[in-house]
Amino acid sequence: NAGVTQTPKFQVLKTGQSMTLQCAQDMNHEYMSWYRQDPGMGLRLIHYSVGAGITDQGEVPNGYNVSRSTTEDFPLRLLSAAPSQTSVYFCASSFTPGAEAFFGQGTRLTVV
Amino acid sequence: AQSVTQLGSHVSVSEGALVLLRCNYSSSVPPYLFWYVQYPNQGLQLLLKYTTGATLVKGINGFEAEFKKSETSFHLTKPSAHMSDAAEYFCAVSEDGGTSYGKLTFGQGTILTVHP
Repeated sequence: NAGVTQTPKFQVLKTGQSMTLQCAQDMNHEYMSWYRQDPGMGLRLIHYSVGAGITDQGEVPNGYNVSRSTTEDFPLRLLSAAPSQTSVYFCASSFTPGAEAFFGQGTRLTVV
Repeated sequence: AQSVTQLGSHVSVSEGALVLLRCNYSSSVPPYLFWYVQYPNQGLQLLLKYTTGATLVKGINGFEAEFKKSETSFHLTKPSAHMSDAAEYFCAVSEDGGTSYGKLTFGQGTILTVHP
């Protein structure tokens, strides 16, 4: 049982480059979210989805896009990377809003 | 709109002492409340959660938390700290309705240090 799989684990980008962080879950969870974690800031919600075809913005959505074409996958796109997007990114999924959220192992992104 | 405030970004206790990590929330509908723990360079792991029913909930590793609606609080406690409890702890809230339906919002985190 793979759970929530994030790729890549590490990435270095140059300012202005674009990339997609991948997130896949095999638990048939409807709810999926992307967070960024910065020291002293906790986990801040970037975008979330309550099912295939439905996404919404979280607390810090600027500079990021998402789509949810399938239940399993929820990719996060950085349109034009900036140094302020240097962070650790976590993807999470849950069966319902009241159920345990399962997290990927994170992607450590550095933008130079 | 939902939000979470954790009082104290760092808490330090001696081994064997009481652990108290504070969490206050705001929510426009009855909330679901969670505590997660994160060990260095790892993802987050659920400690315990409150959905409905008994307001005192017990979790893994001897932790428990009490939901107090009148105080909008969900503080985490453990009677006796162990060295292995050193980690960062996050309080979180989600809602099953309202404008924040499906959102899971975290607090800023509290780093727990345990001294021998």
